[in-house]
Amino acid sequence: GQNIDQPTEMTATEGAIVQINCTYQTSGFNGLFWYQQHAGEAPTFLSYNVLDGLEEKGRFSSFLSRSKGYSYLLLKELQMKDSASYLCAVSDSNYQLIWGAGTKLIIKP
Amino acid sequence: IAGITQAPTSQILAAGRRMTLRCTQDMRHNAMYWYRQDLGLGLRLIHYSNTAGTTGKGEVPDGYSVSRANTDDFPLTLASAVPSQTSVYFCASSDSRGSDTGELFFGEGSRLTVL
Repeated sequence: GQNIDQPTEMTATEGAIVQINCTYQTSGFNGLFWYQQHAGEAPTFLSYNVLDGLEEKGRFSSFLSRSKGYSYLLLKELQMKDSASYLCAVSDSNYQLIWGAGTKLIIKP
Repeated sequence: IAGITQAPTSQILAAGRRMTLRCTQDMRHNAMYWYRQDLGLGLRLIHYSNTAGTTGKGEVPDGYSVSRANTDDFPLTLASAVPSQTSVYFCASSDSRGSDTGELFFGEGSRLTVL
């Protein structure tokens, strides 16, 4: 079966750095996405990785290792507004997205 | 403002009733999707459409139907609602042609409660 695993919840301090991990087992791979979802709102796109390595976009970076079936989202200089759920999704061999259950990130002052 | 509009935002429905969730996008995206989101589970695909006039079944299609008469509209119908269909429903679109996976743009969601 296809599976995406990510931690259910993480807590971090304002101004710090946090890394949210995602491991996947899918039938084929056509890219990995990270989305941010604030409580009661729609998911919004953060990043897309299809090749191994690190993609940096401001305070957010996303890393991919296809051989390990592993990705992480790195958030730097955490702000209170970063409190949200972070969803990992993999595009499989049919270009259908398989979604993880999401990681709820709690930021404390 | 360009984007996706869903209606209704919230609805309480008696079991056995028919319900249609509406979704309209003005970005001229080819692909549209309906997901449900339940606590502790990832987004699950109900139905999708890669282009106007075509639809496909996702991971959890039973009890739901869709149509794609034109590019902009993608309604989701529950023919006879059951309590297990209580969920938050998200419509999404992407500039994808089925041979790639583009960024998804989501509507604000429709919270449906079936009693």
